[in-house]
Amino acid sequence: RKEVEQDPGPFNVPEGATVAFNCTYSNSASQSFFWYRQDCRKEPKLLMSVYSSGNEDGRFTAQLNRASQYISLLIRDSKLSDSATYLCVVNPQGGSQGNLIFGKGTKLSVKP
Amino acid sequence: GAGVSQSPRYKVAKRGQDVALRCDPISGHVSLFWYQQALGQGPEFLTYFQNEAQLDKSGLPSDRFFAERPEGSVSTLKIQRTQQEDSAVYLCASSWAKNIQYFGAGTRLSVL
Repeated sequence: RKEVEQDPGPFNVPEGATVAFNCTYSNSASQSFFWYRQDCRKEPKLLMSVYSSGNEDGRFTAQLNRASQYISLLIRDSKLSDSATYLCVVNPQGGSQGNLIFGKGTKLSVKP
Repeated sequence: GAGVSQSPRYKVAKRGQDVALRCDPISGHVSLFWYQQALGQGPEFLTYFQNEAQLDKSGLPSDRFFAERPEGSVSTLKIQRTQQEDSAVYLCASSWAKNIQYFGAGTRLSVL
């Protein structure tokens, strides 16, 4: 079983739609959780950290369920510019020392 | 510069050649990471430095891979006797605190 699993998609949605991505992780001792965004042939960029209490950044909402080892990302009112691959990321060790464990990514395509 | 800088951006090597990939992290970032991203996959951890000390090299796929960061700043990832399966994007990331890793644009290595 891979350490971080996510549906590869692609998710093809119209502009304005709400879309949700899910991710599971296998290491119950994992400390930190993130969503990164990666555009085609570009580097991954941090979208948002994920906290147990849930957190929101504009149209983006992230949730963490430690008991189920489950992470989600909700995008409301999708824009064409949201088209990218969304990487679910776990840091098993916490702090600045831990290497990141990435899922394979979920590809999102927002159509006009 | 403001971000993580990697060079070269593209490298084509004949099978059996040695290659050296350079990473210039964000100034002042103590931690430096190397990742390998194959086509259609998420990045996978290779090795980690804290200053000049290589604290984790568990992700290096074989003894043909070697990384160094002699003065705690610039790092070089060297691959000896390249093989076709080494073809991938090699990403460097640096961080200071709060788990946030900032990625360079990567070096796309093609081994023919």
